[in-house]
Amino acid sequence: DGGITQSPKYLFRKEGQNVTLSCEQNLNHDAMYWYRQDPGQGLRLIYYSQIVNDFQKGDIAEGYSVSREKKESFPLTVTSAQKNPTAFYLCASSMVVNYGYTFGSGTRLTVV
Amino acid sequence: QQQVKQSPQSLIVQKGGISIINCAYENTAFDYFPWYQQFPGKGPALLIAIRPDVSEKKEGRFTISFNKSAKQFSLHIMDSQPGDSATYFCAANNNAGNMLTFGGGTRLMVKP
Repeated sequence: DGGITQSPKYLFRKEGQNVTLSCEQNLNHDAMYWYRQDPGQGLRLIYYSQIVNDFQKGDIAEGYSVSREKKESFPLTVTSAQKNPTAFYLCASSMVVNYGYTFGSGTRLTVV
Repeated sequence: QQQVKQSPQSLIVQKGGISIINCAYENTAFDYFPWYQQFPGKGPALLIAIRPDVSEKKEGRFTISFNKSAKQFSLHIMDSQPGDSATYFCAANNNAGNMLTFGGGTRLMVKP
């Protein structure tokens, strides 16, 4: 079955640590996206990538970094510079010319 | 011009009633309008989508109504069921890229 897989489902981070959230898709989609969702809130775009080895900042990129070395993979690193990282992180993918997004099931990150 | 405004933020409907969620946009270049449904702890899933060449699209109990002149579109859920309780996001896209602009979300609760 084609889909988009995020791991881990739950992640705990100590203050000052960097953590990396995984996102893998086997849909042959060109574009991939990372969103942050806070409780009861909407979706805020962190980073997106439309082709391999290229990515763009979204609305709230500060404290985050990404890479796109393979079409299938778009990992997100939450760095220690992100002062309030506790949130639900969603990865999505799409074809460049097909407007629908497919979302992963999310990673809930908690700072302990 | 990239905003999509969604209302209401929350909605309570009795079982069997009609749930109506509204969205408005400014950018006339938008040409694709999807709705996503998100259950707690899960990623959003595409529910139904419409393009501006039609004024209405129906899939089962879910209907999108689209008013191009008013730059508004709405989701109607007929015979609402407790299982429809979720957060709903409207979105819009244009053919200049594949970036979706999301509304702020509506938390729907259907009471038994």
